[in-house]
Amino acid sequence: QKEVEQNSGPLSVPEGAIASLNCTYSDRGSQSFFWYRQYSGKSPELIMFIYSNGDKEDGRFTAQLNKASQYVSLLIRDSQPSDSATYLCAVNQAGTALIFGKGTTLSVSS
Amino acid sequence: GAVVSQHPSRVICKSGTSVKIECRSLDFQATTMFWYRQFPKQSLMLMATSNEGSKATYEQGVEKDKFLINHASLTLSTLTVTSAHPEDSSFYICSAESGGSTDTQYFGPGTRLTVL
Repeated sequence: QKEVEQNSGPLSVPEGAIASLNCTYSDRGSQSFFWYRQYSGKSPELIMFIYSNGDKEDGRFTAQLNKASQYVSLLIRDSQPSDSATYLCAVNQAGTALIFGKGTTLSVSS
Repeated sequence: GAVVSQHPSRVICKSGTSVKIECRSLDFQATTMFWYRQFPKQSLMLMATSNEGSKATYEQGVEKDKFLINHASLTLSTLTVTSAHPEDSSFYICSAESGGSTDTQYFGPGTRLTVL
């Protein structure tokens, strides 16, 4: 069974610190990797996607992918209290539904 | 770009009634839309995959006769919860796939259903 694993947290970091969120996946055929942010009571919001090994940066966010280790991470630099949310990792193969992890709750304290 | 809307955002109904939820991709065409359900403090659960012009594919354990899905156009999919019961109360979220090499999914804002 295809699985995506995330530490449920909560991950607590002080304001201004780097938050590191990790995700592993079981299906070696996975091709696309996504990070979504979900605030309580709201629907998920796409932050980034990555499909090549290495790093991809967008503002304060950096996604890192290592297909050999079946590992994808999200770094949030200069964390803000508004970053406090649940972060969902999702993977898929082309044309198939996303497989979501259960999410990691991030808490950024001011 | 890539905006997905849902209507209604919140609905309260009596047990035994049917509720229809609409999901629209506003600025792109979506050949594939997905319906999820999320209970409090739990992860998203995929209910079904909806392809324009064909029957939806339901996940194991999801009753297709209870959760009717229609994907009549490239911008609209509907989910009808038939004969709703209190245990169907949940947060229903749709997503639409934008296509391309990454198959990025964009989520609607969700519909909170409460069945009394």
